[in-house]
Amino acid sequence: QVQLVQSGAEVKKPGASVKVSCKASGYTFTSYDINWVRQATGQGLEWMGWMNPNSGNTGYAQKFQGRVTMTRNTSISTAYMELSSLRSEDTAVYYCARADFWSGYSFDYWGQGTLVTVSS
Amino acid sequence: SYELTQPPSVSVSPGQTARITCSGDALPKQYAYWYQQKPGQAPVLVIYKDSERPSGIPERFSGSSSGTTVTLTISGVQAEDEADYYCQSADSSGTYKVFGGGTKLTVL
Repeated sequence: QVQLVQSGAEVKKPGASVKVSCKASGYTFTSYDINWVRQATGQGLEWMGWMNPNSGNTGYAQKFQGRVTMTRNTSISTAYMELSSLRSEDTAVYYCARADFWSGYSFDYWGQGTLVTVSS
Repeated sequence: SYELTQPPSVSVSPGQTARITCSGDALPKQYAYWYQQKPGQAPVLVIYKDSERPSGIPERFSGSSSGTTVTLTISGVQAEDEADYYCQSADSSGTYKVFGGGTKLTVL
């Protein structure tokens, strides 16, 4: 079965960077884009960007351009999202989600989420 | 930047029909998707391409589209349907994805 398993919770200081991983299993990793979505406590979902694991091509929401980098390691079917220059407003749960072209571009499978806390 | 607008909350009694709307200028050009999120859990896709239902999603969930508004309808609402619901689509170019602000469905 399709699974996306994310790395554990992180606590970072303002100005630091965080790198979250998302390990895929149960399907061909290079056949589906991986998107990243975050959710601050009590707030809504916010799309951050996408990565094509086959080509490595990426696209980022304007809000995060210059601060986010999405990469992958195809040998271990793992996607990464790195966010730099962290500030308190980046405290949120970060999700990876698989995008299915066959259903439009829906996010059909999601990781369990990774809590990133930014605090001095 | 492009926005999708949802009502913050909708309340219905068990067995009634809940309708959650989502408005956006690009919706006539871009598909909409709906996600259900329960507390402490990741979102779950319940409707794709405006009105298609993934396997495993109950038939009481349906979607429709009219102009700049899409609607998620839950017929015969059950207590287990109480959750936050988010619409999602893209800007007119399809480049940037966006979520609506979310609607909290309360089952009275």
